[in-house]
Amino acid sequence: DAEITQSPRHKITETGRQVTLACHQTWNHNNMFWYRQDLGHGLRLIHYSYGVQDTNKGEVSDGYSVSRSNTEDLPLTLESAASSQTSVYFCATGDSSDTQYFGPGTRLTVL
Amino acid sequence: AQSVTQLDSQVPVFEEAPVELRCNYSSSVSVYLFWYVQYPNQGLQLLLKYLSGSTLVKGINGFEAEFNKSQTSFHLRKPSVHISDTAEYFCAVSMNSGYSTLTFGKGTMLLVSP
Repeated sequence: DAEITQSPRHKITETGRQVTLACHQTWNHNNMFWYRQDLGHGLRLIHYSYGVQDTNKGEVSDGYSVSRSNTEDLPLTLESAASSQTSVYFCATGDSSDTQYFGPGTRLTVL
Repeated sequence: AQSVTQLDSQVPVFEEAPVELRCNYSSSVSVYLFWYVQYPNQGLQLLLKYLSGSTLVKGINGFEAEFNKSQTSFHLRKPSVHISDTAEYFCAVSMNSGYSTLTFGKGTMLLVSP
């Protein structure tokens, strides 16, 4: 079965460190998305990609970057982690009907 | 730009009672509409979607939703809920292009008690 995996599932880091969250999909979808979920804010889009070498900024992209070198992977990098980036991060893929399929999430704590 | 409003942040119901979770959207173009469910400590799972055709859409776990274009609504219903339906439910909208992002509502927590 096709799936999306995220790693690590839990991460604790310190302020100022660079952190990379991995997302790998076997759906063979061109569209991939990163969201963060916080109480009171719902899901907010960070970055997204419509194919290899394509990346776009979402609603809350400051302090985050992505790169897309193949169809399967869209890693999310926090350049210099801040306490405000403590959150749960979800990766998703999308098909041609805009339907999105979500990974299990990564819980990130920045101390 | 689109927006989604989920009118209730929390809906408490008793087991076997019917439930309706409300969702209204605004958009200047045709849309696709989605409902997702999120169980504790899990990712979002697609419940159902409206792309075109019949305005009554049936999904998994006995849920259904009705697209009402004049009311710009896409309310989710279930005739009889179970304890296991306790979860957060998100309504979302896209611009039906195949290259659209989803705009999500803030979610409704459905709390089912015995």
